[in-house]
Amino acid sequence: SQQGEEDPQALSIQEGENATMNCSYKTSINNLQWYRQNSGRGLVHLILIRSNEREKHSGRLRVTLDTSKKSSSLLITASRAADTASYFCATDEGGGNKLTFGTGTQLKVEL
Amino acid sequence: GAGVSQTPSNKVTEKGKYVELRCDPISGHTALYWYRQSLGQGPEFLIYFQGTGAADDSGLPNDRFFAVRPEGSVSTLKIQRTERGDSAVYLCASSLPGGFGYTFGSGTRLTVV
Repeated sequence: SQQGEEDPQALSIQEGENATMNCSYKTSINNLQWYRQNSGRGLVHLILIRSNEREKHSGRLRVTLDTSKKSSSLLITASRAADTASYFCATDEGGGNKLTFGTGTQLKVEL
Repeated sequence: GAGVSQTPSNKVTEKGKYVELRCDPISGHTALYWYRQSLGQGPEFLIYFQGTGAADDSGLPNDRFFAVRPEGSVSTLKIQRTERGDSAVYLCASSLPGGFGYTFGSGTRLTVV
């Protein structure tokens, strides 16, 4: 069963704007990851944040984690048309190597 | 190999038939995972191998689904008596011990007609 819920389900923005998507989860975790998926096929790992971290940056990506609220957000700054994809958060459900994915946010960046 | 390879990329089969989906992980990755993704949903865990053994098969939906990894490298997901509800993209991933370097393949899109 899927643990995470993502919000919004779909997001449409103009190129150059920032995109923010949120993820909530239910149980304790060791880490949370964000993945990107183009055209419903392979997932590409974007960034991992550990439970003892509050914020992490990678290029135009900024991830925050609030373990008290069991939530995370992914911010993509200065979006580009090539950022159009589905974005998923995934957690380790408190242990083990299997991932539990959220329902995903479909991002569309228009020129 | 350079990445996780899955074959075939697309498979159309008739209801009731048997199918095999193959996953070739990154060389040296001892952990291998199968996920299933239905349209509009996130991937759902099926089974996880550490070496040759299934460390966690709690996600397999029923006994029509089975997976093997006999030599600790290539894995095959086997589905017997396929049903239309089995239609989905089947994703394979591999990683180093501890889940480091988690890498997904491009998936096999299975359509049961």
